Amino acid sequence: AQKITQTQPGMFVQEKEAVTLDCTYDTSDPSYGLFWYKQPSSGEMIFLIYQGSYDQQNATEGRYSLNFQKARKSANLVISASQLGDSAMYFCAMREVTGFQKLVFGTGTRLLVSP
Amino acid sequence: DAGVIQSPRHEVTEMGQEVTLRCKPISGHDYLFWYRQTMMRGLELLIYFNNNVPIDDSGMPEDRFSAKMPNASFSTLKIQPSEPRDSAVYFCASNYGTGELFFGEGSRLTVL
Repeated sequence: AQKITQTQPGMFVQEKEAVTLDCTYDTSDPSYGLFWYKQPSSGEMIFLIYQGSYDQQNATEGRYSLNFQKARKSANLVISASQLGDSAMYFCAMREVTGFQKLVFGTGTRLLVSP
Repeated sequence: DAGVIQSPRHEVTEMGQEVTLRCKPISGHDYLFWYRQTMMRGLELLIYFNNNVPIDDSGMPEDRFSAKMPNASFSTLKIQPSEPRDSAVYFCASNYGTGELFFGEGSRLTVL
């Protein structure tokens, strides 16, 4: 079974609008961490945001926020006020305590921001 | 501070040749990971080390692949013999064991 599922292969958004990228996960660990990475066309992997399973508040980092719904096992990334430079692949990832520090990635969502 | 450094950035080789990819983790990080990225399989963890010791190599595709970490500042991923299906981007990443992974820029391998 997939540990991390990203059901949107591609998303389109207009500049300055907000967009939500979906991520659901599967774990029986009580303690885990969820990550989002951005991969622009240049290929590097850029860390965006982290949410711990015990964190009470949803994580935020500038224009990025994580909509964490524990009961639904979802950790959606919200990008506010999209910019052309946000066009990239976005990967959701999870680390489980029993996974011994391994980060398991989803298949990614390609976001295109149009002017 | 220098990030994770990988070399070569690009490698084109012929089937059957030996390929060695190199990685220098961020100083002080005690975990090092090797990932492979392909269109078909996405990002796959191949192997990771803690304090230079391999912890989990269950993602290594087959015996043609081997990885070493002789010291805290250097790791290699070797493919011998290489095959066209090994064509991919290979990423090295490091961290302290918690928090985010810091990735290198990747090594793009093409096996003809």
